[in-house]
Amino acid sequence: KNEVEQSPQNLTAQEGEFITINCSYSVGISALHWLQQHPGGGIVSLFMLSSGKKKHGRLIATINIQEKHSSLHITASHPRDSAVYICAYNFGNEKLTFGTGTRLTIIP
Amino acid sequence: KAGVTQTPRYLIKTRGQQVTLSCSPISGHRSVSWYQQTPGQGLQFLFEYFSETQRNKGNFPGRFSGRQFSNSRSEMNVSTLELGDSALYLCASSYGAGLNTEAFFGQGTRLTVV
Repeated sequence: KNEVEQSPQNLTAQEGEFITINCSYSVGISALHWLQQHPGGGIVSLFMLSSGKKKHGRLIATINIQEKHSSLHITASHPRDSAVYICAYNFGNEKLTFGTGTRLTIIP
Repeated sequence: KAGVTQTPRYLIKTRGQQVTLSCSPISGHRSVSWYQQTPGQGLQFLFEYFSETQRNKGNFPGRFSGRQFSNSRSEMNVSTLELGDSALYLCASSYGAGLNTEAFFGQGTRLTVV
């Protein structure tokens, strides 16, 4: 069983819709990372958070440490947001453990 | 500021051969981590280097090795290639030691073993 569960695995939405991707983990963590991977492979680090909420443009990430749950929200979604979104955690200096990713497709 | 640069971008090798991949971190970053991504296993951590020392190692066989140079550039080597080694290999650099810092990823090297 993967220690990091993401849902949904695939998500298709219309341009402009509000998007939520969820990430649940089963262990204590130091930080939770949200990553974006476009076709072609390159990965962009979107957020690293250990508590509360962070916002960058149309992207918002939240984490609830007690419930071991994080969400990534995209407001006013756009076709260029189409990508695979991956959450990952680390504990101290231990390795990053990754979720399996959520494939998001935004239709114009 | 230049990003993380991985070379080559694509590589085709034959079973049994060995391969060396290169990663140049963002200027000033001293930590480099390597990851393997396959359709079946997803992203998996290979190893992390900081100031030329391996700090963490993932659960991969000894055929996978790496090193870091004094200028923080890193190489990973895979010997006796197997078909299952076909994957996207990503490296990431960060300023501080350990993995609890923001990482910046390269575009990856796509290795195909035939």
